[in-house]
Amino acid sequence: EPEVTQTPSHQVTQMGQEVILRCVPISNHLYFYWYRQILGQKVEFLVSFYNNEISEKSEIFDDQFSVERPDGSNFTLKIRSTKLEDSAMYFCASRTGILNYGYTFGSGTRLTVV
Amino acid sequence: SQQGEEDPQALSIQEGENATMNCSYKTSINNLQWYRQNSGRGLVHLILIRSNEREKHSGRLRVTLDTSKKSSSLLITASRAADTASYFCAFGGYQKVTFGTGTKLQVIP
Repeated sequence: EPEVTQTPSHQVTQMGQEVILRCVPISNHLYFYWYRQILGQKVEFLVSFYNNEISEKSEIFDDQFSVERPDGSNFTLKIRSTKLEDSAMYFCASRTGILNYGYTFGSGTRLTVV
Repeated sequence: SQQGEEDPQALSIQEGENATMNCSYKTSINNLQWYRQNSGRGLVHLILIRSNEREKHSGRLRVTLDTSKKSSSLLITASRAADTASYFCAFGGYQKVTFGTGTKLQVIP
């Protein structure tokens, strides 16, 4: 069964550093998403991406964050100048363009900012 | 903004019993989905119910949706120890979904 692949599975970074979280969505999917889950809390929407542009973003997704689909297969989330409170599990998801189909989530990247 | 609440927050049952989890939301939706998350792992899509559907089955899962009450329930029948996980509803439209607070299910062998 097709999978969404995320790398790395765990990343530790110093506060103030930039990190790039990588995702390979399912190849025929058209919509891409980033969500995050702070330990023990809800899964929160960050951003959706379609047709090479952001279609919607949450208030969490401020200028510190950016997304890119650089080569037609990878989908990346960049976090500039990381803060302690950015520590969370970050999930990438994708879905087809067919209405009423669920999302396929990756297994997540655990980001720890120290 | 949309908010979702699930109850109970935690549920502990014996293997073989049924488990029911409820989800409530506040605005109109196109569909509602249920996901499972094993501890520290990713989210696995279980089932999607459209806003014009009232009930849907998939194996041991049964989902109901009442759009007039803005609520949904997930029933897991004949639970197994391997069903131990957190279960989340996710609802919304096509640009994004909003996740509920989750129910932590423990199935005791």
